[in-house]
Amino acid sequence: NAGVTQTPKFQVLKTGQSMTLQCAQDMNHNSMYWYRQDPGMGLRLIYYSASEGTTDKGEVPNGYNVSRLNKREFSLRLESAAPSQTSVYFCASSESSGGPTDTQYFGPGTRLTVL
Amino acid sequence: DQQVKQNSPSLSVQEGRISILNCDYTNSMFDYFLWYKKYPAEGPTFLISISSIKDKNEDGRFTVLNKSAKHLSLHIVPSQPGDSAVYFCAPAGGYGNKLVFGAGTILRVKS
Repeated sequence: NAGVTQTPKFQVLKTGQSMTLQCAQDMNHNSMYWYRQDPGMGLRLIYYSASEGTTDKGEVPNGYNVSRLNKREFSLRLESAAPSQTSVYFCASSESSGGPTDTQYFGPGTRLTVL
Repeated sequence: DQQVKQNSPSLSVQEGRISILNCDYTNSMFDYFLWYKKYPAEGPTFLISISSIKDKNEDGRFTVLNKSAKHLSLHIVPSQPGDSAVYFCAPAGGYGNKLVFGAGTILRVKS
């Protein structure tokens, strides 16, 4: 059981470049999430998917798009990267609806730098 | 406007002593409070939680207390070097019922 996996682990982009962060889970979870973590701040929710085929905006969705490719995979796309998107990105999954008693399991993170 | 504040960015404690990590929140809609632990280069992992209707929840060396208005604390007794990590307070409730993370407290347990 790998849990939640993320690729790549590190990435450096130039301003204006695009890229997709990949996330997969092997726990048969229904809900998946993308967070970003910046220095001095907690994790902030970018987008989430309560079930296959649905996605919703979180607290900081601007500049990002997501795709719930299937039940296992949830990708995050930066169409035109900006220095403000330099951050550590975490993907998470949970078994059901994403309520507070629904434990979220996190991947190891992707450290993204935009120059 | 930060809804969740962990006012101590870092805390250093001697092995065997008690660690107390605090969390204050402003949103009265929060009704469930989770704590996550994070080691460097890893994702956060769930540690312990408490609902707003309870005063206390214990799990081994970890206890979360919810006794003051809009304030809760995580106690670790006795603290061990392996507890050295970042601890996030993450309430939930209100709109969308999603977690809102505090900025975290870095705990260092010295042996």
